[in-house]
Amino acid sequence: GESVGLHLPTLSVQEGDNSIINCAYSNSASDYFIWYKQESGKGPQFIIDIRSNMDKRQGQRVTVLLNKTVKHLSLQIAATQPGDSAVYFCAEAYSGNTPLVFGKGTRLSVIA
Amino acid sequence: DSGVTQTPKHLITATGQRVTLRCSPRSGDLSVYWYQQSLDQGLQFLIQYYNGEERAKGNILERFSAQQFPDLHSELNLSSLELGDSALYFCASSAPGQSNQPQHFGDGTRLSIL
Repeated sequence: GESVGLHLPTLSVQEGDNSIINCAYSNSASDYFIWYKQESGKGPQFIIDIRSNMDKRQGQRVTVLLNKTVKHLSLQIAATQPGDSAVYFCAEAYSGNTPLVFGKGTRLSVIA
Repeated sequence: DSGVTQTPKHLITATGQRVTLRCSPRSGDLSVYWYQQSLDQGLQFLIQYYNGEERAKGNILERFSAQQFPDLHSELNLSSLELGDSALYFCASSAPGQSNQPQHFGDGTRLSIL
């Protein structure tokens, strides 16, 4: 498959460890934030989202944290598995039905 | 499987040509979005349609156009193609409503201009 963003920042973690992927967003008026996972040859896959009226939201093995004061978003993945290896994108929008503005992405590499 | 279908998966053509990319949204979704993903620009929004009407426009060139049909499928037309148009083109769809409605993406069309 092709590589997406050859010069992306890379996070390497040991299998079983927790991963934290960080993202700075740009627009203080953004109300909706979302994380996607993109594997080689595939489209972005929805992981988890959060509205600006929340600070934290949990899913299965994933947690998203939102700090509006410093315009920062993070994705925590618990007990990282080899199948988590992919490029992760954060995105922001005015609402859930408006166009997304994507961050540049982080490549997560899981070491077995 | 996101439920969003894009065809074709790959397109190879020459400069100056015109191509049409097709997207079928998830069942029940009224919004369709087109994004371009290139190595140097990342994922960039092009255009959004909602129930057949243009809703928002992003960094879409005048050589590009799109439409959404009554059955809600959408087409993205790219004309007078240039080498720099080589990229992945993604379609996403979302359900109607005012609350959180994440966009779900298809697996894209890879366009290569020779």
